[in-house]
Amino acid sequence: KQEVTQIPAALSVPEGENLVLNCSFTDSAIYNLQWFRQDPGKGLTSLLLIQSSQREQTSGRLNASLDKSSGRSTLYIAASQPGDSATYLCAVIEGTDKLIFGTGTRLQVFP
Amino acid sequence: EPEVTQTPSHQVTQMGQEVILRCVPISNHLYFYWYRQILGQKVEFLVSFYNNEISEKSEIFDDQFSVERPDGSNFTLKIRSTKLEDSAMYFCASSGVRNSPLHFGNGTRLTVT
Repeated sequence: KQEVTQIPAALSVPEGENLVLNCSFTDSAIYNLQWFRQDPGKGLTSLLLIQSSQREQTSGRLNASLDKSSGRSTLYIAASQPGDSATYLCAVIEGTDKLIFGTGTRLQVFP
Repeated sequence: EPEVTQTPSHQVTQMGQEVILRCVPISNHLYFYWYRQILGQKVEFLVSFYNNEISEKSEIFDDQFSVERPDGSNFTLKIRSTKLEDSAMYFCASSGVRNSPLHFGNGTRLTVT
């Protein structure tokens, strides 16, 4: 059974720092991996999707990498801003329709 | 940018009552999903829906749950007889093609008393 874990569970950093959020999964037979942002009381906003054949995806200050063989993905946030404060979730799709979510990293960026 | 819309944002109901949670997916999307998140826990898959039928469902999605796409725009989740443990945030999502990014609504917070 696929298990998705994220570390750290929480992170508090000053504005301007570069950050790395980690996601690991137990079964490497995935179709793709998606990173989301969740603001308190709100839905999930898709940030990046990496297909299993890809190694990384970039969008603005965000870069996500995928290493299927080791069961890991990282989300790199450059030059963090207070507006980046949210919970970041990674999720894998195994070839069925369902996303299997990680535990999340709660990020706080203070001015 | 097109959005997935969910109503109501908050629903309070008594145990044993039926509730219907409503969603309007993005208009040209073909794949529809319900997920839920119990407070403090992971987001969990409930059901996926394509071509007017369920394509996959989780163990959580028992006989008390049903989904329907009654017209060309709405996608509903019905819980026939709510239990206290059904209290959660319920998210609707849609996608255009398989393995493309899922777009989520803002959720309906269901509180069962």
